[in-house]
Amino acid sequence: EIVLTQSPGTLSLSPGERATLSCRASQSVSSSYLAWYQQKLGQAPRLLIYGASSRATGIPDRFSGSGSGTDFTLTISRLEPEDFAVYYCQQYGSSHMYTFGQGTKLEIK
Amino acid sequence: EVQLVESGGGLVQPGGSLRLSCAASGFTFSSYWMSWVRQAPGKGLEWVANINQDGSETYYVDSVKGRFTISRDNAKISLYLQMNSLRAEDTAVYYCARGRRPSVVVGVYMDVWGKGTTVTVSS
Repeated sequence: EIVLTQSPGTLSLSPGERATLSCRASQSVSSSYLAWYQQKLGQAPRLLIYGASSRATGIPDRFSGSGSGTDFTLTISRLEPEDFAVYYCQQYGSSHMYTFGQGTKLEIK
Repeated sequence: EVQLVESGGGLVQPGGSLRLSCAASGFTFSSYWMSWVRQAPGKGLEWVANINQDGSETYYVDSVKGRFTISRDNAKISLYLQMNSLRAEDTAVYYCARGRRPSVVVGVYMDVWGKGTTVTVSS
């Protein structure tokens, strides 16, 4: 089973700042099959990024994903008030053995 | 509008059973993998089960194997999760999600999610 470790656990930033969230895998993720989701309090998760770097439909271009192998990053170039939420990474390269990271909470400083 | 609406959650005693349903609309349901993902109170996301387009392939997280059964009815445009022998640790919000599979040698990511239904296992 591939274990995903997200860091930091909590990130405190101000609107307008740049956010960098990390997701590290315990073994290489096949062909960068990694997704990022955003979850606001009391809401369902929303797909942001798939294939490590492809934005999902309707996702603003301030969200970008990068990385390969075992190290992946979600970057929010300039934080908007609505971006403060919990973010999860998920690997799907290991066929039908899906794992999520434990989440990074992005909070307003 | 693409939409998934879960139902069937509630309070059940340990050892009991519950059947969750997920009604889909706005897309060709029979063309997509479907998933159940759960979230225990105050915790992160946990994948529970997947099913392929015609129901011939199903996959489960180890902790629910032998207790939960995922199924679908493409004519009724619905996904189901039959949960038996429920335990306190099954208490969670259960989300139905649409799966996208980029290749036959890998799994799926979830591109559309329902709002979830709450399952509480307690005496």
